[in-house]
Amino acid sequence: QLQLQESGPGLVKPSETLSLTCSVSGGSISSSSYYWGWIRQPPGKGLEWIGSISYSGSTNYNPSLKSRVTISVEKSKNQFSLKLSSVTAADTAVYYCARQAGGVREFDYWGQGTLVTVSS
Amino acid sequence: DIQMTQSPSTLSASVGDRVTITCRASQSISSWLAWYQQAPGKAPKLLIYKASSLESGVPSRFSGSGSGTEFTLTISSLQPEDFATYYCQQYNTYLYTFGQGTKLEIK
Repeated sequence: QLQLQESGPGLVKPSETLSLTCSVSGGSISSSSYYWGWIRQPPGKGLEWIGSISYSGSTNYNPSLKSRVTISVEKSKNQFSLKLSSVTAADTAVYYCARQAGGVREFDYWGQGTLVTVSS
Repeated sequence: DIQMTQSPSTLSASVGDRVTITCRASQSISSWLAWYQQAPGKAPKLLIYKASSLESGVPSRFSGSGSGTEFTLTISSLQPEDFATYYCQQYNTYLYTFGQGTKLEIK
C-alpha cells in the first residue's frame, strides 16, 4: 500500500524559507506513470494546489506562488521536497503531499498533512 | 484560472437521505473532474475521478455525473461516516483548482 509522509519544521519565521519533504513508501517515486504534488490548506479554509513534479524533474507550479516555490525530487531517497521562500503569515497552512495518477490527473494518494505556522 | 464553484456551501441531512452536491466550472473542463471527501483533521480522500469513475474501495452509494461545466456528486443513502466536507477539483489543465467545499452536516 502506497504511503506518503510529510516532514519538516512546524514553525517558520516571516521572510524565511519553508522546507518540507515527502517520503514515499510502498512504491517507487521513479515510476514514469506518476507525478507528485504539494497542496496546502489554511486553517478553516479550502485547498490550494502549489505545484507538481515528475520523476524526471519536470515541474508545474501555481502561477500565484511560482516566484517563491521550488519542488525537487530525490530518487535515491524516494522523496520529493518543497521550498517556499519569503514566507508570511498568509502561508500558514496544513501542507499535504500527494500522488497524481499521471501528468494532468487527480490526486489519488495523500499524506496525512503537516501544519506549518509562520510566526516570529 | 478556471474557477470552481460548489453549492450549497453547507448541507444538513439525516442518515439514509439522498443528497446531491453541485460543482460548476467557469469554462468547459470536459470530464476532467474529481471529488474528494475530507473528514475533520484528515487528508482529503479521492472518491470520484473523470467525473463519474468510482475510485477503488469507495462505496457504491457515491456517484458522480456531468461534463462540460456542470457536475454533481450524489450520495444515495447517507451513512454516519459520510458527514464530512466535500471538494471538487478540475484537472483540465495543469493549473489545478478546487471548489470552496461543501460541508455535509447531520440534521
